[in-house]
Amino acid sequence: QQPVQSPQAVILREGEDAVINCSSSKALYSVHWYRQKHGEAPVFLMILLKGGEQKGHDKISASFNEKKQQSSLYLTASQLSYSGTYFCGTHNSDQTGANNLFFGTGTRLTVIP
Amino acid sequence: DSGVTQTPKHLITATGQRVTLRCSPRSGDLSVYWYQQSLDQGLQFLIQYYNGEERAKGNILERFSAQQFPDLHSELNLSSLELGDSALYFCASSAGRFYNSPLHFGNGTRLTVT
Repeated sequence: QQPVQSPQAVILREGEDAVINCSSSKALYSVHWYRQKHGEAPVFLMILLKGGEQKGHDKISASFNEKKQQSSLYLTASQLSYSGTYFCGTHNSDQTGANNLFFGTGTRLTVIP
Repeated sequence: DSGVTQTPKHLITATGQRVTLRCSPRSGDLSVYWYQQSLDQGLQFLIQYYNGEERAKGNILERFSAQQFPDLHSELNLSSLELGDSALYFCASSAGRFYNSPLHFGNGTRLTVT
């Protein structure tokens, strides 16, 4: 039930773009994205619900392809503050009645000057 | 500040012992979730409560148990502790119980079993 994230790690220079992918072997109702900085709690970024929507949050946006059972997080013109580990959390279609998210193993993003 | 409070921040105990981790959700949130994060690992879902009732179970060991009280705070009890139980335990809360509610995480309790 755990989604698969790729890449596992990425290093960017300030201003560069990155894409983080999240895929599931099961049909999805929703995908959540969170960022966790070292030693801190994960922080909510956005939720995408089935229907193929796309969302944006400053220069961070995401898409959800329900048919492919995958989501992608796009970070454009990266800033130093974007460094951290990004987790996708998925809610599968057989989990009706509950909101227990299964998180991927994370993508460690490092932005350097 | 997420509004979710976890205590204690750190806990050091010996193998075989029992500990209780406490979580107070954000004001108004009815759902509480517990996650375990081992060193440099992802977030493993343990259990979810909604308004006092267990809603979903994940990879929670039989040695672990949890409950949510009428005031909505939750406790996670870990017993017969083993070295492998050393991890960061996060509590999260959300307003609803379905998939469209964002989770708000507390700062975690770091458990070290020696």
